[in-house]
Amino acid sequence: NAGVTQTPKFRILKIGQSMTLQCTQDMNHNYMYWYRQDPGMGLKLIYYSVGAGITDKGEVPNGYNVSRSTTEDFPLRLELAAPSQTSVYFCASSYATIYEQYFGPGTRLTVT
Amino acid sequence: SQELEQSPQSLIVQEGKNLTINCTSSKTLYGLYWYKQKYGEGLIFLMMLQKGGEEKSHEKITAKLDEKKQQSSLHITASQPSHAGIYLCGADISGNTPLVFGKGTRLSVIA
Repeated sequence: NAGVTQTPKFRILKIGQSMTLQCTQDMNHNYMYWYRQDPGMGLKLIYYSVGAGITDKGEVPNGYNVSRSTTEDFPLRLELAAPSQTSVYFCASSYATIYEQYFGPGTRLTVT
Repeated sequence: SQELEQSPQSLIVQEGKNLTINCTSSKTLYGLYWYKQKYGEGLIFLMMLQKGGEEKSHEKITAKLDEKKQQSSLHITASQPSHAGIYLCGADISGNTPLVFGKGTRLSVIA
């Protein structure tokens, strides 16, 4: 199993540009999550999904959108990128909330 | 998250020394998860604790959840350079909801 994969690994965006961060898991997990990690700030939940077609906001959803059309994929869309969105983004998945989460390697995004 | 406080924020220890990292919640912990993050990489799951008083060990790392289920400690015995990284605690503080994470403890092990 590849586990949780994320693409791209690095990206530089200009202010106002848009992009989609891809996340795929091959463990047949129902739950998937997007976090951002800023230096010294731990992980903050952006959006999560409990299954295909169901998504919900986390702690910091503004400026982001998600969709979950399949069990495997959970893309994160950034519209009108802003410098405040410079961060490392992690995707994770789990069988359920009471089980451990498996994390992808992260996407390092810089908005200038 | 402010709901989870980790201490210390950073730690530098000499190789072979023992160390403890703490994770404290203002609410009852339904589940407590410890992760390790190597610099520039994703998080690796270490251990999960759910019952008050529970203790788990893996190699030289031991994690405990106190009886009141509001604090957990991670203890590393005879630290090695391979233990260096960022340790994060994550917790379910509402029951069946996504985890909230502490800010992490950055551990450096020097020879």
